[in-house]
Formats: sequence, structure tokens, C-alpha cells
Amino acid sequence: GAVVSQHPSRVICKSGTSVKIECRSLDFQATTMFWYRQFPKQSLMLMATSNEGSKATYEQGVEKDKFLINHASLTLSTLTVTSAHPEDSSFYICSAGDGAALLNTEAFFGQGTRLTVV
Amino acid sequence: AQSVSQHNHHVILSEAASLELGCNYSYGGTVNLFWYVQYPGQHLQLLLKYFSGDPLVKGIKGFEAEFIKSKFSFNLRKPSVQWSDTAEYFCAVKRGDYKLSFGAGTTVTVRA
Repeated sequence: GAVVSQHPSRVICKSGTSVKIECRSLDFQATTMFWYRQFPKQSLMLMATSNEGSKATYEQGVEKDKFLINHASLTLSTLTVTSAHPEDSSFYICSAGDGAALLNTEAFFGQGTRLTVV
Repeated sequence: AQSVSQHNHHVILSEAASLELGCNYSYGGTVNLFWYVQYPGQHLQLLLKYFSGDPLVKGIKGFEAEFIKSKFSFNLRKPSVQWSDTAEYFCAVKRGDYKLSFGAGTTVTVRA
């Protein structure tokens, strides 16, 4: 299957600072990427849909000013957690597919980023 | 609200036992159905998927799943598990708006 690379895999930051997470599609072009958040022992919750060259679409309850998403190219989307607080500590996962925004296609997932805010 | 329900939070079984994990969804339109597995410290990996056609789907590593439209279910099965099947299993549904909704996950622990 296609490869999606996420970086960093683990990051610890101080409260009040910002953290950027990258999601790259390595062997295909992804017009759409998705960002998820996973709490311990819970499901993956979709945060936003990232569209190349346009603004991201955020799910209800997700603060767009808190979680900045940029999808500047067909192979890279970034999620920036701004002014991070301990409650932002979580596991963040991206997914992409060359037709991920269509039915009858599958998405491929990055390895996730464990963010710890201290 | 539309949702994906996985019946078991944690399943513990012995090697060679049979496994069945339940998944129900509440969306009424056309859907794609997936089972993903997440081994400790690794990516989510696709086990199998259903788009259309034969409702009995075979995936990797001996897993299969059956789509029962009338029951809105997509249960995962494996006749004989191995220790290496210890992982977290997620059922997911792609809806007509192309978004993937995940179940809460089931932790499967296989004892040698």
C-alpha cells in the first residue's frame, strides 16, 4: 500500500509553545489529507479535512485557531498546535490516499505523533 | 447521531481460539466498511475492506468479515488466533460525505 510518513513520532513541549506536525505522502499525491486525534482507550476522532491549496474543513468543536492546518502541496500537510496546553496532550494521526475523499477507496495512515505538553 | 459501535473493549483469549469482534454502525446510506489493526507502536494497517459485492470479505492474516446490511453490522472473524494477533482492532465506516468514522477499538490479547 501507499506510504504516509508523519513526523515527529513523539514530541514534548512546554505549555504555551507551538508544535508543528508534518504528514507526507511519499509515493502518491494526496489532494486530501485527514487529521485525527486519539485519546487513550478511545476512538480516533476526525479533527479536520485538509485540502491542497484551500482552507481546511474543521469538525464541530475543533478550534481552527488552535489547530492550524496547512496543505501547501500535494504531498505535505502540517498541523500546528498553537499555544499548547496540557489538555492538548494526545496522539495525533494523519491519513491520506490518492482518492481518500471518494467512496470505494482506502486511506493510509501515518504512524502518529504522541504530543505531551508539560 | 451517526456512530460506529464496537461491542467489546477488551478480549482475552488463548492461541488457537476463534475470534469474533462485533461492529455495528448507524448510518443508513451507502457506506464503505473497514477493519484496521494497530500493533503496539505501529501504524494503523488495513486488515480488510468492503465496498460492494460479496458480503463475505477476506483480508490479510486469515481474517474475514461479513457485511450484513439488514443488521448494519460488519463483524470481524478469525478461526484460530496466534499470539502475534495481539493488537488493537478498529472498525471504521466511510460515509457518503467521505469521512471515516471509527469505533472505539477492541484490544485483543492472545495468551500463548
